[in-house]
Amino acid sequence: GDSVTQMEGPVTLSEEAFLTINCTYTATGYPSLFWYVQYPGEGLQLLLKATKADDKGSNKGFEATYRKETTSFHLEKGSVQVSDSAVYFCALSASSGTYKYIFGTGTRLKVLA
Amino acid sequence: DVKVTQSSRYLVKRTGEKVFLECVQDMDHENMFWYRQDPGLGLRLIYFSYDVKMKEKGDIPEGYSVSREKKERFSLILESASTNQTSMYLCASSPTGMAYEQYFGPGTRLTVT
Repeated sequence: GDSVTQMEGPVTLSEEAFLTINCTYTATGYPSLFWYVQYPGEGLQLLLKATKADDKGSNKGFEATYRKETTSFHLEKGSVQVSDSAVYFCALSASSGTYKYIFGTGTRLKVLA
Repeated sequence: DVKVTQSSRYLVKRTGEKVFLECVQDMDHENMFWYRQDPGLGLRLIYFSYDVKMKEKGDIPEGYSVSREKKERFSLILESASTNQTSMYLCASSPTGMAYEQYFGPGTRLTVT
């Protein structure tokens, strides 16, 4: 079945460091891919998305490119801030006609001043 | 601004009690979802609904039931709460179509003692 694998956390970085959080997926067809962010004590909110191969999603300085050849959707940011400390979830929505979304287990990011 | 609200942020119940968690969305979305979130396990789908009075089991439906009598409201019911149901419960909604993201509520942290 469909699945999402993302790197284990926690990831600890200094402010202004470069961030990469890896995400790979297994799916039949052509899923849509998402990154969500969860700040402490809150629900998840959409960070960015891509709906077809080679699409790049971007928001708030974060980027991710839908790579079908490597089945990946890695999240990157050039210069992280303390306010980026949160848990990040990679997810896909299946193209097979179901209504289900598949989430990774989440990666906790801690940015130190 | 789109909104998904959940009836309680924090809830403490006793073992054996019947527990109702309510979720309301104001976006006229067809699909609604209940997840539980546990450390190291990410989000696990309990039930989802793609239309009024329609529901489908997710990955972990045991011990739960749901009700959707109106389009905007999706209730999760714990028939007889147990300590292993202590968790964070997240409600989400989405339009129909794989390109659409989910919108999440703030979550209910349920403790069963």
